[in-house]
Amino acid sequence: EDQVTQSPEALRLQEGESSSLNCSYTVSGLRGLFWYRQDPGKGPEFLFTLYSAGEEKEKERLKATLTKKESFLHITAPKPEDSATYLCAVRGDGSARQLTFGSGTQLTVLP
Amino acid sequence: KAGVTQTPRYLIKTRGQQVTLSCSPISGHRSVSWYQQTPGQGLQFLFEYFSETQRNKGNFPGRFSGRQFSNSRSEMNVSTLELGDSALYLCASSPGQAVYEQYFGPGTRLTVT
Repeated sequence: EDQVTQSPEALRLQEGESSSLNCSYTVSGLRGLFWYRQDPGKGPEFLFTLYSAGEEKEKERLKATLTKKESFLHITAPKPEDSATYLCAVRGDGSARQLTFGSGTQLTVLP
Repeated sequence: KAGVTQTPRYLIKTRGQQVTLSCSPISGHRSVSWYQQTPGQGLQFLFEYFSETQRNKGNFPGRFSGRQFSNSRSEMNVSTLELGDSALYLCASSPGQAVYEQYFGPGTRLTVT
């Protein structure tokens, strides 16, 4: 059974204070690791897909990296508008096309 | 390209009633998945449809069902509603063939009283 654990559960940063969110996973045959951003009351917004260890992707102030056991979402010089819950999900060979999500990290960036 | 749309956005129902939620995927996407999101359980997979066929089902009781139409639009139905069914129901679409990113709609907020 695929498992995803995200840490920390909540993170408060000052504007401009860089940090990283962690996603640890257990999956049989990784087909993809996905990062989403979710604002309150809205559906998750797709950010990145990572397929293999060593892969990195960037978008504005966000950079996602992947190892064989975990992924990190690095946030550089965050702004208040980056405040949201960040969700990590995996899909493996045995998961029959469903995504298994972590419980998310609630990020608050203070001005 | 228009995103995933879900209707209605908000719904209030009474215990014992049934409800039908609708989802229109991104144009060209043939796979539609449904998820239930609650504060305690997070995002949990309900089922996935591709070309009108259910390909996978999560660990939910038979009161939860769905279908997909030939235009890829999908509906999910919950019968005999319980208080614990109160949640945000999310629909996600993907192209469906070896492309695994899923794009989510805004969700339907269901409240059961």
